[in-house]
Parts: sequence; C-alpha cells; structure tokens
Amino acid sequence: GDSVTQTEGLVTLTKGLPVMLNCTYQTTYSPFLFWYVQHLNEAPKLLLKSSTDNKRTEHQGFYATLHKSSSSFHLQKSSVQLSDSALYFCAFVSGSWQLIFGSGTQLTVMP
Amino acid sequence: GGIITQTPKFLIGQEGQKLTLKCQQNFNHDTMYWYRQDSGKGLRLIYYSITENDLQKGDLSEGYDASREKKSSFSLTVTSAQKNEMAVFLCASSNQNTLYFGAGTRLSVL
Repeated sequence: GDSVTQTEGLVTLTKGLPVMLNCTYQTTYSPFLFWYVQHLNEAPKLLLKSSTDNKRTEHQGFYATLHKSSSSFHLQKSSVQLSDSALYFCAFVSGSWQLIFGSGTQLTVMP
Repeated sequence: GGIITQTPKFLIGQEGQKLTLKCQQNFNHDTMYWYRQDSGKGLRLIYYSITENDLQKGDLSEGYDASREKKSSFSLTVTSAQKNEMAVFLCASSNQNTLYFGAGTRLSVL
C-alpha cells in the first residue's frame, strides 16, 4: 500500500552546517510530495511541494527535488539557523486523495 | 488569508467519557480533516469530509465519530476516552492538495 518513510527521528546540528532530511515514498499512483514544518506548540505549515520529476523547489532557504527513479523527496538546507529547530513531516497524496504523513523528523539546531 | 480555530485548546477527560472537539474554518474550503498526532508516529488520519454532510473514514476512525453540519465546521467525538490517553488532535482544511492546520486540541485522559 501507499506509504512514506522518514528514516531519522532526531537530527541535531550546529548552526551554520548543512542538513538533509530523508524522505522516501511508495505508491502506485503519480506522486505529489510535500514537506510540512511544525514549530513547538504551533500548527504544521506547508514548506514545500512538488509533483514534477527532477525539478528543484525552494522556499525559505530549504529545497527539495522529487526523484521518481528513487522515490525520494529529501529536504535540504545549506546552512541551518537556530529558528529552523522544528518537527518536519514529509507527506504525499495517496490514490484515495488522502494526505499520508511520515513519522516526522525533529531537527534541533545548537548555537 | 483565513484561519482554522479549534476548541478547546486543552481537554481533560475521564476514562469512558464521551468528548467532543470542534473546528471552524473561514477559508471557504470544501474538504476538512481530523488528524491525531502522537509522539514518534506522525499524523494519522481519523476522518475527512469533502463537502457538507459528507464523511469519509481514515485509517484511525475506530473509536471516533465525526460530523460536518455545515461547510465551515467539522467536529470530532471521542466515543469512549481511554485511560492515560494523551494526544494532540489537529483539524485541517484543504485547497488543491495544500492543507492548512489549526493549532490543535491537546487531550489528556485521567
């Protein structure tokens, strides 16, 4: 069945370093992928979305490229800031038009 | 812009109690959702509704009822609260696949 996997539960980095959060998916339908970010005690908000193969999409310094050949949509940033500390969810639209979320990756950025 | 309002923000219940969570949106979106958020388990879909008076079950619908009496509101009922249950319930509405979430209702069951 449809599923999305985020392999890292916790990622801790020092400010200024690059980060990559992994996301892979499994579906028989044409994929539409999303990254949502949730800061502490706030609602999740859309960060990025894409359905175009091999095209980089960017927002607020974060970027991701949908690779259908490897079923991946990894989130990257070249230099993390303290304000990037948050919970990040990868998600995709399933064949039944439901949004399926991964288990989330908690990113903590240290000074 | 619009907003999604969830009430109450915090809900404390007793084992076996029936509890109702409410959600209002002013985006004029057709589709609304209820998700449950547990630590380390991501967001799991309980119910969604594609229009007024429509209800569709998600993967986690057992133990819950929902009601969409009008386009702007979507309520969720925990039919029998489980002892020591702790979770955040998130309401959302969508426009062309993009979800907009409320701030959540935090449930604790004593």
